[in-house]
Amino acid sequence: EAQVTQNPRYLITVTGKKLTVTCSQNMNHEYMSWYRQDPGLGLRQIYYSMNVEVTDKGDVPEGYKVSRKEKRNFPLILESPSPNQTSLYFCASSHRDRGQTQYFGPGTRLLVL
Amino acid sequence: KNQVEQSPQSLIILEGKNCTLQCNYTVSPFSNLRWYKQDTGRGPVSLTIMTFSENTKSNGRYTATLDADTKQSSLHITASQLSDSASYICVVSRDTGGFKTIFGAGTRLFVKA
Repeated sequence: EAQVTQNPRYLITVTGKKLTVTCSQNMNHEYMSWYRQDPGLGLRQIYYSMNVEVTDKGDVPEGYKVSRKEKRNFPLILESPSPNQTSLYFCASSHRDRGQTQYFGPGTRLLVL
Repeated sequence: KNQVEQSPQSLIILEGKNCTLQCNYTVSPFSNLRWYKQDTGRGPVSLTIMTFSENTKSNGRYTATLDADTKQSSLHITASQLSDSASYICVVSRDTGGFKTIFGAGTRLFVKA
């Protein structure tokens, strides 16, 4: 089944404790992206990747890191999480053509205390 | 500033009725506009996509329109069903050579029996 998977789905952590949220897709998509969704706001793009070893900042990259060592994986790293990073995070992927539909993962709900 | 604004914020309708959701954007340069449906706690799923030259696109009971001159789009839902209860998100992509997407905050639709 074609899908985007994220792990973990739910995470409670404390300020400053490094964490990684994994994202994996099995559709051979070149493009992958991370978004965060907060109440009353639209999804905001954190980072995106056009292909392996190619990443770029989105609109809200501060406090986040990403890597794209393999085509299927695009982990999101929070080196020192803070409470303002409490949010619902979505990973998405698509083929590189700008007209292609993005497929979203199920979401990761993060609470930073 | 590149923005996507949706109205209304929320809407309650009776099962079987029609409704129309609005999207206004100021994104430039424009590449395409998508409507997504997001069920509570899940990732968005694409409904329609329209490029500059397209002014209408249908997907079952969902019909999207685009007026590129006035930078407005609408999503019309016909003969609503209880399963249509969800958030509907308007997404505009910028044609900048990268893959920048701007999301609206969404319209929360409640369909009541």
